[in-house]
Amino acid sequence: DAGVIQSPRHEVTEMGQEVTLRCKPISGHDYLFWYRQTMMRGLELLIYFNNNVPIDDSGMPEDRFSAKMPNASFSTLKIQPSEPRDSAVYFCASSLWEGGKNIQYFGAGTRLSVL
Amino acid sequence: KQEVTQIPAALSVPEGENLVLNCSFTDSAIYNLQWFRQDPGKGLTSLLLIQSSQREQTSGRLNASLDKSSGRSTLYIAASQPGDSATYLCAVGTGWGNTPLVFGKGTRLSVIA
Repeated sequence: DAGVIQSPRHEVTEMGQEVTLRCKPISGHDYLFWYRQTMMRGLELLIYFNNNVPIDDSGMPEDRFSAKMPNASFSTLKIQPSEPRDSAVYFCASSLWEGGKNIQYFGAGTRLSVL
Repeated sequence: KQEVTQIPAALSVPEGENLVLNCSFTDSAIYNLQWFRQDPGKGLTSLLLIQSSQREQTSGRLNASLDKSSGRSTLYIAASQPGDSATYLCAVGTGWGNTPLVFGKGTRLSVIA
């Protein structure tokens, strides 16, 4: 498998613009997680899905953020409107509950810069 | 709320040295603990996973230990190499099943040739 695939790898946008980040999980994985990494706060969970259903979105910072998983092979994280404080690296991870283990596989991340 | 702390934040060692990275967590009711490696501009790679019932896990030159009661874990790297240079992240799984991980901020390791 190609692993978790995220696009784009880098995104530079201006304040107020809409940003859409994309994620393709590993085939067969039934959990998908969106994390955000900043120097100040480290890696933090934004939202996660099980079988395409959002389970916990308490980490989504505010209504400007939304996430969807229309099918088992695709998820999006949208920020509208974007603000400079949203600048961070956004990671998607997927996992499969197997043998009592919870190993999450991470994509390479999307580095977002909001000017 | 679970909090994970890693000390030191950065570490520089000469090649060949054995080293220990530390991780502590505030709530001992964890399901598992994982150590990840992150290279610059890359994603995270899982190195070792320790279930809460285990005391340690080993993979090659890496050994991770877990003391759940004291809220501590260590990652031991033997005979360090320049290729080990990366950021090492500790993360705890807080519940049974595929629950999200709570991460420390990492230790940035530089191994000097």
